[in-house]
Amino acid sequence: AQSVTQPDIHITVSEGASLELRCNYSYGATPYLFWYVQSPGQGLQLLLKYFSGDTLVQGIKGFEAEFKRSQSSFNLRKPSVHWSDAAEYFCAVKNDNAGNMLTFGGGTRLMVKP
Amino acid sequence: DSGVTQTPKHLITATGQRVTLRCSPRSGDLSVYWYQQSLDQGLQFLIQYYNGEERAKGNILERFSAQQFPDLHSELNLSSLELGDSALYFCASSPVGTGNTEAFFGQGTRLTVV
Repeated sequence: AQSVTQPDIHITVSEGASLELRCNYSYGATPYLFWYVQSPGQGLQLLLKYFSGDTLVQGIKGFEAEFKRSQSSFNLRKPSVHWSDAAEYFCAVKNDNAGNMLTFGGGTRLMVKP
Repeated sequence: DSGVTQTPKHLITATGQRVTLRCSPRSGDLSVYWYQQSLDQGLQFLIQYYNGEERAKGNILERFSAQQFPDLHSELNLSSLELGDSALYFCASSPVGTGNTEAFFGQGTRLTVV
């Protein structure tokens, strides 16, 4: 069965600093990968997705992620973090063989210091 | 705004009771998914419906059931509620049952069982 690991439960960065959130997946076939963000009291908003093609994908709010098949990773990056980026971030993989459901990682809570 | 509407936003009920959570998918989306987010289990897939038919099942308890109606809205029924059922329940929708399309999430229903 597929699985997603987000090794960092909490990350704190200073405003303006760069950010990288780690995501590792376990999946036999070509994965469909996603990053979602959940702000306090809000639903899940899609930041970006990877289905195929260019391994560096651009998303909303200035985020990008790079798919590395050799490392089974799909890390999320942002060059300069804003205070409004404080939220919980979830990496997910879609299992197309089982009806399209998502398997989520445990999430990484990002705190931004002024 | 994702276009997915969930009602109610908050629900407080007693153990042993039964509740119904409602989801209206984005216009034109045929697939509806239900997820549970809890502190100990994280985000877990419960069940998927596609055009009125059950498509996939995840870690859904026997006390829980769902259905999708001809107008494509869906309801998640939770019965014989226990304290451990307290969680945020998300509904998501996508245009099709499989394939490389993302799911759009509602804002969730927070269920508190007391």
